[in-house]
Amino acid sequence: NAGVMQNPRHLVRRRGQEARLRCSPMKGHSHVYWYRQLPEEGLKFMVYLQKENIIDESGMPKERFSAEFPKEGPSILRIQQVVRGDSAAYFCASSPSGGAANTIYFGEGSWLTVV
Amino acid sequence: DQQVKQNSPSLSVQEGRISILNCDYTNSMFDYFLWYKKYPAEGPTFLISISSIKDKNEDGRFTVFLNKSAKHLSLHIVPSQPGDSAVYFCAASENAGNNRKLIWGLGTSLAVNP
Repeated sequence: NAGVMQNPRHLVRRRGQEARLRCSPMKGHSHVYWYRQLPEEGLKFMVYLQKENIIDESGMPKERFSAEFPKEGPSILRIQQVVRGDSAAYFCASSPSGGAANTIYFGEGSWLTVV
Repeated sequence: DQQVKQNSPSLSVQEGRISILNCDYTNSMFDYFLWYKKYPAEGPTFLISISSIKDKNEDGRFTVFLNKSAKHLSLHIVPSQPGDSAVYFCAASENAGNNRKLIWGLGTSLAVNP
């Protein structure tokens, strides 16, 4: 039973380019969450999605960031026109429908470096 | 404004002794608390949780204590083992954990020395 799969694990982008991070939830999980960990900081909630729906995007920066979880395929976190301050570890998590907070499972993260 | 605070960035403990990791929170709406363990270059792994209707939850070597009046919780690891060396994050949520938007502390790095 594969866990939450994130790719790429490491991504290097130049300023102004686009970054796309992918997340495949655990089998049977229909809820996906994205968290960001900036250097020397804790994890910060970004967005919570169910299939084809954004449930809570209160942690998403207003510009350049978007997320989707289509009916088929992985969830995508997209960052347009990246800047140095976007360099961080981006963690995806998933949970089953109706599951409580202790049923959230995290992927191993995608490390974005903007040069 | 940090709603979940872990004031000790690091802790060093001898193998076999007790490790006590502390966490304070400011939001009285939090009613569900979780501890996660994280190794470098990996995602957080759920360890143990506690609802605000309880003051203690135990799972093997891990026990979490909650003091609601003080808005304080602690994780006890007894006995500590070198494999416990990791960063420990305290997280909180509202709505008895059904709100899966977790608010995280900055973590405490635990080193268990052989």
